[in-house]
Amino acid sequence: RKEVEQDPGPFNVPEGATVAFNCTYSNSASQSFFWYRQDCRKEPKLLMSVYSSGNEDGRFTAQLNRASQYISLLIRDSKLSDSATYLCVVNRGSSNTGKLIFGQGTTLQVKP
Amino acid sequence: NAGVTQTPKFRVLKTGQSMTLLCAQDMNHEYMYWYRQDPGMGLRLIHYSVGEGTTAKGEVPDGYNVSRLKKQNFLLGLESAAPSQTSVYFCASSYTAAFSGRALDTGELFFGEGSRLTVL
Repeated sequence: RKEVEQDPGPFNVPEGATVAFNCTYSNSASQSFFWYRQDCRKEPKLLMSVYSSGNEDGRFTAQLNRASQYISLLIRDSKLSDSATYLCVVNRGSSNTGKLIFGQGTTLQVKP
Repeated sequence: NAGVTQTPKFRVLKTGQSMTLLCAQDMNHEYMYWYRQDPGMGLRLIHYSVGEGTTAKGEVPDGYNVSRLKKQNFLLGLESAAPSQTSVYFCASSYTAAFSGRALDTGELFFGEGSRLTVL
């Protein structure tokens, strides 16, 4: 089993749709969680961190469920510019070891 | 703002050749990382550094060496390239450990644009 698993998709949705991605992680000691966005043939960029209480940034909402060991990303009112691959990122454990684990990414295609 | 710069952007090597990828950051970050990205695998950590003069192994260090002689530079070396090292390589840096988990300190990773390496 991979340490961080995502449904690779692609998710094809029309403009204006709401779409949700889930990501599961296997290490119960993990403390830090992030969503990164990666455009085609570009570098990843931080989209948002995921906090225990859940957090929202405009049309984007991130949730953490420690009991079930998954995080989610909800995108409301999808735009064409949201088309990208979304990477779930989790630290391997609670110690200071510099080991972030990246999921393989979920690809989103927003259609006109 | 330059941010994180990687050179070269593209390179084709023959099996057994050596090369060095250079990563430079102008943000005075302590932490630097080298990742490789392969289809269906996600980014995997090769080596990282928590400060000038220090390096440590990541998940997939075999076949690679690194050096951090200056705070702003992190070099990735392939001594004898193999076809399995065909990949896209990303350098990243962060001000603090990218895993602190503190609400006011995201430990955001800033990535370079990537270096596409093909080993024939």
